[in-house]
Amino acid sequence: AQKITQTQPGMFVQEKEAVTLDCTYDTSDQSYGLFWYKQPSSGEMIFLIYQGSYDEQNATEGRYSLNFQKARKSANLVISASQLGDSAMYFCAMRDPSGTYKYIFGTGTRLKVLA
Amino acid sequence: DTEVTQTPKHLVMGMTNKKSLKCEQHMGHRAMYWYKQKAKKPPELMFVYSYEKLSINESVPSRFSPECPNSSLLNLHLHALQPEDSALYLCASSQFGTGSYEQYFGPGTRLTVT
Repeated sequence: AQKITQTQPGMFVQEKEAVTLDCTYDTSDQSYGLFWYKQPSSGEMIFLIYQGSYDEQNATEGRYSLNFQKARKSANLVISASQLGDSAMYFCAMRDPSGTYKYIFGTGTRLKVLA
Repeated sequence: DTEVTQTPKHLVMGMTNKKSLKCEQHMGHRAMYWYKQKAKKPPELMFVYSYEKLSINESVPSRFSPECPNSSLLNLHLHALQPEDSALYLCASSQFGTGSYEQYFGPGTRLTVT
């Protein structure tokens, strides 16, 4: 069965520094996609970045980049130049490749950016 | 426009009340979702609608009743809820198809059952 693992319950980073949030996944499918979402304390889940399993390059979106290591089954989120507004819960997710519309979420990492 | 709206933002209801949560999107997405999220936990899938038809019900108690009146609207009718149903309820939508499509979430409804 597909599974997403986020082993860092909480992380701290100094403002303006970079931080890496870990995500490993388990799937036997060759075609899959991985997502990262940000959830501030207000509650809304905000889509950040997507990586497809066949994408040759690591995904980037502004200050967000994805360190995708397919052989290790890891898809770590890198946030560069952290800002106070980056303080939030971050979830890694993938769609269940079996064809249903289920999305599997990791347990999340709470990031706190320090001034 | 990548906005999903949800009303109300907050809801307090007694165990004998009947209320409804509403969700709307205008992105042309044909898959819509209801999630329940407890504090410090990931969202738990409750229901999925694809092309206005219920395609997934994750064994949700019948006191939660979803409805998809058209391709833009999704409702969640609540009746005889329990205090443990207090949570953040998130609506989401995505494209329909076999690919991996990002979900767009609404701001959620914070529900308190007294």
